[in-house]
Amino acid sequence: GAVVSQHPSWVICKSGTSVKIECRSLDFQATTMFWYRQFPKQSLMLMATSNEGSKATYEQGVEKDKFLINHASLTLSTLTVTSAHPEDSSFYICSARDPPGGPTDTQYFGPGTRLTVL
Amino acid sequence: QQQVKQSPQSLIVQKGGISIINCAYENTAFDYFPWYQQFPGKGPALLIAIRPDVSEKKEGRFTISFNKSAKQFSLHIMDSQPGDSATYFCAASRGGADGLTFGKGTHLIIQP
Repeated sequence: GAVVSQHPSWVICKSGTSVKIECRSLDFQATTMFWYRQFPKQSLMLMATSNEGSKATYEQGVEKDKFLINHASLTLSTLTVTSAHPEDSSFYICSARDPPGGPTDTQYFGPGTRLTVL
Repeated sequence: QQQVKQSPQSLIVQKGGISIINCAYENTAFDYFPWYQQFPGKGPALLIAIRPDVSEKKEGRFTISFNKSAKQFSLHIMDSQPGDSATYFCAASRGGADGLTFGKGTHLIIQP
């Protein structure tokens, strides 16, 4: 089955620093990847859509200058949280979509990255 | 505006029973409705998904019922087991290119 990995699985950083999270599709090419954020005991909220070779599309209310997304290859998307603050502490989860023309439009989720900003 | 409403928020079912979780959506442009299972500290895992052209889909112990006119869909877990204890999310999207809009989740506990 389709496998999506994330690295790191958890990270602790100081306020004001930047953190990069990687999302990789291990056994398929993903032209589209998505980034979600999940606060404790809450649902997943879509942050942005990442398309290979083009600029990411951000959801309303998500600061594009704070959450930098790069999708430079068909198997890798990165999310960089710039100048992180304690309120950015959350569980960040990526997903990768079946390639266009595939049997389904399934989104396969990564295991998530727990970010704690001190 | 919450586009996907999920209920109940929490559910306790006896082992061997049927667990039923309901969702309602507002956006008629949605055409893909998956259910995900999530364990604490893990990413969500796809259980089953349905499109509006069918009213029911079954995979093992999991069944989705879909009512297009009522804009509702539900997940039935038959013969519920303690290992099914998790948080379940319904979701919806508009075609494959869009991200998913999730319900708020249902915390399911299966009592042995």
